[in-house]
Amino acid sequence: AQSVTQLGSHVSVSEGALVLLRCNYSSSVPPYLFWYVQYPNQGLQLLLKYTSAATLVKGINGFEAEFKKSETSFHLTKPSAHMSDAAEYFCAVSEYQGGSEKLVFGKGTKLTVNP
Amino acid sequence: EAGVTQSPTHLIKTRGQQATLRCSPISGHTSVYWYQQALGLGLQFLLWYDEGEERNRGNFPPRFSGRQFPNYSSELNVNALELEDSALYLCASSLYEEQYFGPGTRLTVT
Repeated sequence: AQSVTQLGSHVSVSEGALVLLRCNYSSSVPPYLFWYVQYPNQGLQLLLKYTSAATLVKGINGFEAEFKKSETSFHLTKPSAHMSDAAEYFCAVSEYQGGSEKLVFGKGTKLTVNP
Repeated sequence: EAGVTQSPTHLIKTRGQQATLRCSPISGHTSVYWYQQALGLGLQFLLWYDEGEERNRGNFPPRFSGRQFPNYSSELNVNALELEDSALYLCASSLYEEQYFGPGTRLTVT
């Protein structure tokens, strides 16, 4: 069964600093991987996805993530944090096999951006 | 294009009652998923409907049930509510591999 581990339930950065949110996954088949963002009292918004094409994936709002099979990782980065990036971020894995479509989420990382 | 919509936004029930939550998918999407986001438990998969059929179910008791209508909208029913059912219930729809989420229904059980 697939699983996701997000290292660090809270990450704090200064405005303009690099954002790095860590995600490791386990999957018995080549996975599809996703990063979602959740602002307070809202649903989830898709930031980016990996579906076995390019290993470096660019998403919205300047975020990107790199799929590293050897490390079973899919870390999310942004070169320069903005105050509006403060939110909770979820990494998710899906084994899209036409029979078990569901997302398995990590426990989330709350990002704080300090002025 | 309208996104996934959910109603009601908030729902307050007492223990033992039944709750009904509704979801309308993005036009053209045939799959609907339900997730529970409870404090301290993270996001847990509840149910997946596709083309009117239940395709997959998470590790939840049978008092969590639902259905999908011919127009692909969906209902989640929770019977015999318990205090620990208090959570944000998120609905998502998809056509292929990515899921698009609605704003959620906040269920509070007192």
